[in-house]
Amino acid sequence: QKEVEQNSGPLSVPEGAIASLNCTYSDRGSQSFFWYRQYSGKSPELIMSIYSNGDKEDGRFTAQLNKASQYVSLLIRDSQPSDSATYLCAVGAAGNKLTFGGGTRVLVKP
Amino acid sequence: DARVTQTPRDKVTEMGQEVTMRCQPILGHNTVFWYRQTMMQGLELLAYFRNRAPLDDSGMPKDRFSAEMPDATLATLKIQPSEPRDSAVYFCASGLADRGEAFFGQGTRLTVV
Repeated sequence: QKEVEQNSGPLSVPEGAIASLNCTYSDRGSQSFFWYRQYSGKSPELIMSIYSNGDKEDGRFTAQLNKASQYVSLLIRDSQPSDSATYLCAVGAAGNKLTFGGGTRVLVKP
Repeated sequence: DARVTQTPRDKVTEMGQEVTMRCQPILGHNTVFWYRQTMMQGLELLAYFRNRAPLDDSGMPKDRFSAEMPDATLATLKIQPSEPRDSAVYFCASGLADRGEAFFGQGTRLTVV
């Protein structure tokens, strides 16, 4: 079992719709959770950080964390073609070890 | 504009040669990570440091890879000897330990022929 798991996709979303991405992790001691966006040929870019259970909203992005279920998700509202990218879930364990999932490729179709 | 700087951006080398990749973390950041990204394996953590001390290098092939932080402004990743299977994009990232997040450099694309 991988430490951080994501559906590889692609997740195809019509422009203007909500994209919903999911991530599960295996280490119950994990303390910090992140979503990164990576465009093809570019480096990962941090878009959301979440540290406690519940929702955190930033613009069109909402991150949701449920530590009991070991589950973190990302919602992208009003999806735009520019949101087409690979979204990486990252989980921080004790000692700051940061482990990434395999990423979910998102395609927003006009 | 604070950013992580990596050099070189691209490197093509012959099998058996030594490769050195350099990283300048964001000033003030106390945690530095080295990752390798391939299509097959995704982003793999090779090693990471806090306050220049290595915390975990279990992701690195020990016989050929080494990572160091000679000072707070420089991290290095060396491969000796390089092999074709080392071809990948190598990312350096830095962050603050109390936040846990990491900010990535632009990466070094390594091709070993």
